[in-house]
This record gives sequence, structure tokens and C-alpha cells, in this order.
Amino acid sequence: ETGVTQSPTHLIKTRGQQVTLRCSSQSGHNTVSWYQQALGQGPQFIFQYYREEENGRGNFPPRFSGLQFPNYSSELNVNALELDDSALYLCASSSGQGISGYTFGSGTRLTVV
Amino acid sequence: AQTVTQSQPEMSVQEAETVTLSCTYDTSENNYYLFWYKQPPSRQMILVIRQEAYKQQNATENRFSVNFQKAAKSFSLKISDSQLGDTAMYFCAFMKLVTGANNLFFGTGTRLTVIP
Repeated sequence: ETGVTQSPTHLIKTRGQQVTLRCSSQSGHNTVSWYQQALGQGPQFIFQYYREEENGRGNFPPRFSGLQFPNYSSELNVNALELDDSALYLCASSSGQGISGYTFGSGTRLTVV
Repeated sequence: AQTVTQSQPEMSVQEAETVTLSCTYDTSENNYYLFWYKQPPSRQMILVIRQEAYKQQNATENRFSVNFQKAAKSFSLKISDSQLGDTAMYFCAFMKLVTGANNLFFGTGTRLTVIP
């Protein structure tokens, strides 16, 4: 079975621009979550999608938005990029409630200049 | 709000020795799960071990075991027979069961170095 894949692996954007990050969930997983990991910190929950609907959100502004597609792949969109958005963005997928643990991708390193 | 504290920013251990990483958490929930994740330089978070709060028995996965003390809200990870491949960041994480998103709350991590 394939794991979680994310693209691109690295990205450099200018402040004020918009960015789209992509995630392909592990086969059989219908729940996808996005996390932001700033340098030297633990990941912080952005939001989660279950069967194409957002079912939970962390403390992030509305300029962070997402989509989940019928094949359970997902996108994270960030508008009006700020310097503090520079971080590693991790996608994680699970089957159902995630009590068996989430499977993470290797992340997208976003640098905002 | 849930908080997870890892008080050891860095630790080192000799190859083949045993090391224990500490984690405490704060919650008013009674039904939750705890996890240890490993993040090597490849950046991918890898699940090491999980513990259900309603189980008193400590979880074990090969060389990895936990000491779960529910009353003390403590969840430490013991790595036996440390190997060079264990060198990584280790994150403790908490998840409460709710209707909707069961998201993970992570600590700030412990950087473990295994010395040859």
C-alpha cells in the first residue's frame, strides 16, 4: 500500500502571494488533516476533512482553507502569505477517527520571503 | 485546552543502552489516546507507539515501551538497545475523542542522538 505523498517538497513564495499544497492520502484512508510545524516546534493542527467536509479546525485564520476530493486527496490553500507562514506543512491521513494513529507525509517546506 | 510538555529538549544515549524520554500532559478528559511519533531528518512523522487511556497495561512495541501513569498525567517512552537509526526528534502527542475532528496535540519534541 502506498503512504501519504505531498507535493511540492519545497516552495519559495513572496509575501502577499497565494499557495496551494497537495496531499495524496494513504489508500483506504478517508480522513485527512493538515498541520503546520514551525522551526523547532511541534506540529499544530490546522484543519481536518472527512468525506470531503471540514469537520474540525484549529486556531488558524480563514486565509487558510482546504479541499478534500472524492478520491480523498486534499489541498491546503493559503492566501495573502505572511512571513510567519514559513514552516513545514504536514499532511496526515487515517481511516475513520484516527485512533490507530495518523500516517504522515514528508511535508512541504514553505519559505515566504 | 490540552497541553503536552516535553521537558527534555535534547538527550543522548550510547548505542545499545537504554534511554527514557519524558512527557506530561494536561487534560480534563477521561477518554483519550497518547502517541509517540519519531521525526527523522527525512521529516516524515512515524508512529512509534500508542496508548489508550482506558487501558492500564503499558503498551510495548519491540524495543519501545511506555510508562503510562494516568493519575500523574505522565507518558514516558523507553527505548531499549538503542540503535543509530533511532536518532531523530521524538514528539509526544495527545488526542481526545470528540464528535468531529480527533486532532493531535503535540509537545515541542526531544532531539535524541544515539552515539556510536
